[in-house]
Amino acid sequence: QQQVKQSPQSLIVQKGGISIINCAYENTAFDYFPWYQQFPGKGPALLIAIRPDVSEKKEGRFTISFNKSAKQFSLHIMDSQPGDSATYFCAASGRGGGADGLTFGKGTHLIIQP
Amino acid sequence: ETGVTQSPTHLIKTRGQQVTLRCSSQSGHNTVSWYQQALGQGPQFIFQYYREEENGRGNFPPRFSGLQFPNYSSELNVNALELDDSALYLCASSPPGGADTQYFGPGTRLTVL
Repeated sequence: QQQVKQSPQSLIVQKGGISIINCAYENTAFDYFPWYQQFPGKGPALLIAIRPDVSEKKEGRFTISFNKSAKQFSLHIMDSQPGDSATYFCAASGRGGGADGLTFGKGTHLIIQP
Repeated sequence: ETGVTQSPTHLIKTRGQQVTLRCSSQSGHNTVSWYQQALGQGPQFIFQYYREEENGRGNFPPRFSGLQFPNYSSELNVNALELDDSALYLCASSPPGGADTQYFGPGTRLTVL
């Protein structure tokens, strides 16, 4: 049973546009929701993360929107650049200390066209 | 500040063999987690180590085992390798009090023939 569903699987956006990736979760015990960026041949890099006590968090061009009642969260990349082309993963964890690990979505392959 | 490092970068083994992968955590981090990432998939949690003990485990068989050392570095051992064990193995470290905030290393690419 997949506990974090991510969409779309792939996304093409024009340079300067807004990239939007969505995730939905099932486990109401999740209390930490990070987004990771991964380039080919590299490990995932932590981009931004949110906890359920806020509905939105912004860091530079990256914004997480969080809807606790709908059990959904999304990543918005403003002014998308060709260097943003990568695979993006949403994830979730619970139990406070992270001892159950992060549960990842299947990833979104993002291409920013110049 | 040095990030998470892993060794080796690549490894080729034969089915049935055993393998040991190594991870050095980021400076000041005391918790280490291991993940398996199959091609085209998201990482899957194997286990987490804190204070040299296994602190949590995902849905992986006992032939996946680990160690954490007093300097917080860690090893992942896999016995009786199977073809499906071919994957990128990722190590992530976390700071004190923030075990869910995980910073990943570059990974070790394991190929089982």
